[in-house]
Amino acid sequence: DAMVIQNPRYQVTQFGKPVTLSCSQTLNHNVMYWYQQKSSQAPKLLFHYYDKDFNNEADTPDNFQSRRPNTSFCFLDIRSPGLGDAAMYLCATSTAWGYRTDTQYFGPGTRLTVL
Amino acid sequence: DAKTTQPNSMESNEEEPVHLPCNHSTISGTDYIHWYRQLPSQGPEYVIHGLTSNVNNRMASLAIAEDRKSSTLILHRATLRDAAVYYCILRDGGSQGNLIFGKGTKLSVKP
Repeated sequence: DAMVIQNPRYQVTQFGKPVTLSCSQTLNHNVMYWYQQKSSQAPKLLFHYYDKDFNNEADTPDNFQSRRPNTSFCFLDIRSPGLGDAAMYLCATSTAWGYRTDTQYFGPGTRLTVL
Repeated sequence: DAKTTQPNSMESNEEEPVHLPCNHSTISGTDYIHWYRQLPSQGPEYVIHGLTSNVNNRMASLAIAEDRKSSTLILHRATLRDAAVYYCILRDGGSQGNLIFGKGTKLSVKP
């Protein structure tokens, strides 16, 4: 089945130690997204890629970066994780950006713990 | 962006229908109404969307009020697997076409 895969499902890192989360997709979608979901809160968009074009949300901290080396893969880099960055990180894909009718397909998420 | 209002939580019995309401009194004429749900420890998944007419798919039905200021997601026969947080989201396309999640409704299903 075509899908969005996130590895690892659980990641533990230390305060200030850089960490990378990965996402891959077999849907061949043009757009890939990263969301942050803190405990008992709704998902919040950090940024998205339309093909190779990177689009950052205005309130996404500089501590968060992303790379998309090819259509299938996208990475979330947290340069210096703080305790407040502990959250579920969700990757999603869609065929297009900005269409009122497009559907986003989410991966299962990576739960990040910061010690 | 237009906002939605949903009850924080609802309960249902297994195998009974569930009606999940959503108010969106400031909806614009071009906003689509989308529903996603998030099962425990999973990413959100798409459920259904519509503009003006009622919509049906294999997962659920979407009933949209004539004035479009409210809508209702209908699960015809709730199962334990339907226990999730259900999000009602308005999408207006273009640069504002993000999925902006509100607090959603947490649905509990009792056996």
